[in-house]
Amino acid sequence: ETGVTQTPRHLVMGMTNKKSLKCEQHLGHNAMYWYKQSAKKPLELMFVYSLEERVENNSVPSRFSPECPNSSHLFLHLHTLQPEDSALYLCASSQGGGRYETQYFGPGTRLLVL
Amino acid sequence: DQQVKQNSPSLSVQEGRISILNCDYTNSMFDYFLWYKKYPAEGPTFLISISSIKDKNEDGRFTVFLNKSAKHLSLHIVPSQPGDSAVYFCAATLFSQGGSEKLVFGKGTKLTVNP
Repeated sequence: ETGVTQTPRHLVMGMTNKKSLKCEQHLGHNAMYWYKQSAKKPLELMFVYSLEERVENNSVPSRFSPECPNSSHLFLHLHTLQPEDSALYLCASSQGGGRYETQYFGPGTRLLVL
Repeated sequence: DQQVKQNSPSLSVQEGRISILNCDYTNSMFDYFLWYKKYPAEGPTFLISISSIKDKNEDGRFTVFLNKSAKHLSLHIVPSQPGDSAVYFCAATLFSQGGSEKLVFGKGTKLTVNP
């Protein structure tokens, strides 16, 4: 595998379910990100991890819980979501979380909450 | 309030002609700008970037122009090819108080290049 991978690619869940999204980067990067893209809206940054520490939480509700066990893996744990949380969730990584870095994106997980 | 705006949701051009995608921003603290391209069912892929100390950056068929006084940047693709058909996102970076760099995206412009 190369680049940034995300699983699953599609997910349908009920409001009472608990599920997790997984992201893995094979680029040797030290920073990882979660973004959300809702219909007709720009990509919105959710969380930033640098060297496995969360350095940014962009006012995301607590029903989204990120986890970064090492610099290659990032999870987004989901519980008691709402239908308005249906969106494309994108993971990205960059070299070291510094300035003027290019972020590389995974293909995304398309989430539908019923 | 949207800080990065792409006012044209779609653009259609003929193969071989120039495609010009526009982007406006409101935050004068942005100092690095990027263009990403996204095909269906794939994540955005980095295309080209420009620092605020420059007004032009060129990479093959792609050129980005930055007009800081107007808070405007544009991406020129010449000549356009059918494989360029995708959604193009403009993004700007901001160094947050938390010590990390944030990418702020526009909504995207869907480019269609007709053969």
